[in-house]
Amino acid sequence: GAGVSQSPSNKVTEKGKDVELRCDPISGHTALYWYRQSLGQGLEFLIYFQGNSAPDKSGLPSDRFSAERTGGSVSTLTIQRTQQEDSAVYLCASSPGTASYEQYFGPGTRLTVT
Amino acid sequence: AQSVTQLGSHVSVSEGALVLLRCNYSSSVPPYLFWYVQYPNQGLQLLLKYTTGATLVKGINGFEAEFKKSETSFHLTKPSAHMSDAAEYFCAVSARNTGNQFYFGTGTSLTVIP
Repeated sequence: GAGVSQSPSNKVTEKGKDVELRCDPISGHTALYWYRQSLGQGLEFLIYFQGNSAPDKSGLPSDRFSAERTGGSVSTLTIQRTQQEDSAVYLCASSPGTASYEQYFGPGTRLTVT
Repeated sequence: AQSVTQLGSHVSVSEGALVLLRCNYSSSVPPYLFWYVQYPNQGLQLLLKYTTGATLVKGINGFEAEFKKSETSFHLTKPSAHMSDAAEYFCAVSARNTGNQFYFGTGTSLTVIP
């Protein structure tokens, strides 16, 4: 079946602009995660959605970052007033929903802020 | 709280040699442990996982890992390296009490020398 998809695959934006990154999870997966991967770094947790529960936003680095998940499916990560340090690959993953299940990752969106 | 330490950010092995990638975890409760592989410009793909039961876990592409509670380790091994194994490898931990949050190591880049 279809895996996790993300769009766009690449995004170049000017400093100060807002960007939206989209994630389409695997159908039926109740959990959705966003991570940030900077060059040479591991995965930095950003935010986690589980069903209809309030999202876990504990990893968002600043109030310029926000995310929503509509209808328990598609998610959008928004970065306002982008800064050069926001340049990274943003990965989305979905999961059937419990801690024992693996996450299925999308290919990522490479964001470059100039 | 949970955390993961991957010793060695870069590992080089000769083709045909043993691959050993180290992962140590910290968890206050029984952990769920995962190894993921990331090929260039791709998302992460699950290699194997440990949840309960047999402590020696076999995964795809000939990889295996052994959960050693006394050593808090989950090292990844493969008897004979292949050129196609060159990639970034991530160890991750989760647990029932983490609210389904996953904690990733900083990754180990594996180079296979012909």
